[in-house]
Amino acid sequence: QVQLVQSGAEVKKPGASVKVSCKASGYTFTSYDINWVRQATGQGLEWMGWMNPNSGNTGYAQKFQGRVTMTRNTSISTAYMELSSLRSEDTAVYYCAREDDSSPAFDIWGQGTMVTVSS
Amino acid sequence: DIVMTQSPDSLAVSLGERATINCKSSQSVLYSSNNKNYLAWYQQKPGQPPKLLIYWASTRESGVPDRFSGSGSGTDFTLTISSLQAEDVAVYYCQQYYSTPQVTFGPGTKVDIK
Repeated sequence: QVQLVQSGAEVKKPGASVKVSCKASGYTFTSYDINWVRQATGQGLEWMGWMNPNSGNTGYAQKFQGRVTMTRNTSISTAYMELSSLRSEDTAVYYCAREDDSSPAFDIWGQGTMVTVSS
Repeated sequence: DIVMTQSPDSLAVSLGERATINCKSSQSVLYSSNNKNYLAWYQQKPGQPPKLLIYWASTRESGVPDRFSGSGSGTDFTLTISSLQAEDVAVYYCQQYYSTPQVTFGPGTKVDIK
């Protein structure tokens, strides 16, 4: 079935970087844009950016410009989100999500990856 | 940025009763060239990722029960659960994708059983 499977939980120190992976299966990876959304505990959803897996083109929310990098490896149908200069406020669950082919809404979501930033 | 607001923050409804959630955008998300509202609704249960319920403001995603319906246009939208079931306890988010790829979500509305 169509799914996105993310890498496991991470614990990082302030100032470090984290790289989360998102492996697609059940569909043609290069045909659908991938977005990244994060959610701090008990908080709402915050869009971080998007990537076109075919071209590699990306777009980032202004808040994360300069700190986030989204890449992909088409040979293994996997998208990546790397966030650098981590601070405690980056502690959150990070989701990848596929854009629907009927609209730009997000129809398939990964299970989420908990990233904890703590000294 | 388009700012999304939702009301109420939370509500409690008896089983079988109607639940209504409102969403407002800071500017119109109706795209005049195709007459479509760039608005989606998601359901998120504890410990799970969000699930797409409604897109284009009123189109139900495949497999979503027909007790869920979306309405509205321009800047004001509503998600209605016509007959609340126990499995509908969740937080509901609206999202605008008018400014795609830059999207924004509402703050969420928590729905509980009274």
